[in-house]
Amino acid sequence: EAGVAQSPRYKIIEKRQSVAFWCNPISGHATLYWYQQILGQGPKLLIQFQNNGVVDDSQLPKDRFSAERLKGVDSTLKIQPAKLEDSAVYLCASSFGSPPGETQYFGPGTRLLVL
Amino acid sequence: AQSVSQHNHHVILSEAASLELGCNYSYGGTVNLFWYVQYPGQHLQLLLKYFSGDPLVKGIKGFEAEFIKSKFSFNLRKPSVQWSDTAEYFCAVNEETSGSRLTFGEGTQLTVNP
Repeated sequence: EAGVAQSPRYKIIEKRQSVAFWCNPISGHATLYWYQQILGQGPKLLIQFQNNGVVDDSQLPKDRFSAERLKGVDSTLKIQPAKLEDSAVYLCASSFGSPPGETQYFGPGTRLLVL
Repeated sequence: AQSVSQHNHHVILSEAASLELGCNYSYGGTVNLFWYVQYPGQHLQLLLKYFSGDPLVKGIKGFEAEFIKSKFSFNLRKPSVQWSDTAEYFCAVNEETSGSRLTFGEGTQLTVNP
C-alpha cells in the first residue's frame, strides 16, 4: 500500500516570499491533517480536513497560512508571506476516518527554511 | 489546554540496556494514547497505542507501554535495546471529545551505542 506522499521534500525561501506544499494521502483515507514541527518540538496540528471540509483549523495562523482540499483527496498548504519563524518541517498525515483513537499515517514531511 | 510532557529530551544507552521513556499528560477525561517513532531519515510511524482495555499495551519490535490513569502517565519500555532502536520517540494524546486530534509531546531522542 502506498503511503502518504508529500512534495517538495525541501524548500528554501526568503522572508516575505510565498510557498506551497502538496500532500496526497493514502487512498481511501477521508481525513487529512497538516502539522508544523519546529526543531526540538513535537508536531503541532495546523488544520484537519474530513473529505473536503475543514474540521479543525483553530491553530492555523490564518493571516498567512491557508489550506485547501478541493476534491477531498490531495491537499495544498500555502504560506504567504513567510516569516523567519515559519522555518519548520511540515507534515501531512491521513487516517481512514476521524473517530477518537484513529491511527494517523504520516508522510515524509517538507523541510522549510526561511532566510 | 491539553499538554503532553516527555521528561527526557535525550537518552543515551548501551545495547542490551533497559529503556523507559516517560510521558505525562494533563487532560482529566477519557484519552487514547500513542507512541510514534521516527527512525533516522524516515517518517513518523506508529509504535503502539492504547485505545481501551488492558492498560499494558504491546507494540512492534518488543516495545510496550503501560497506561496508569491515576498518574496520567503512559511510559514506554523495552527490556533490552538494540542499536537499531536509535530514533526519536514521540508520545501523543487524543482526547475522546476532540475526535481524532492528537497533541504531541516534545519528543525524546534515543541513542543506542553498540
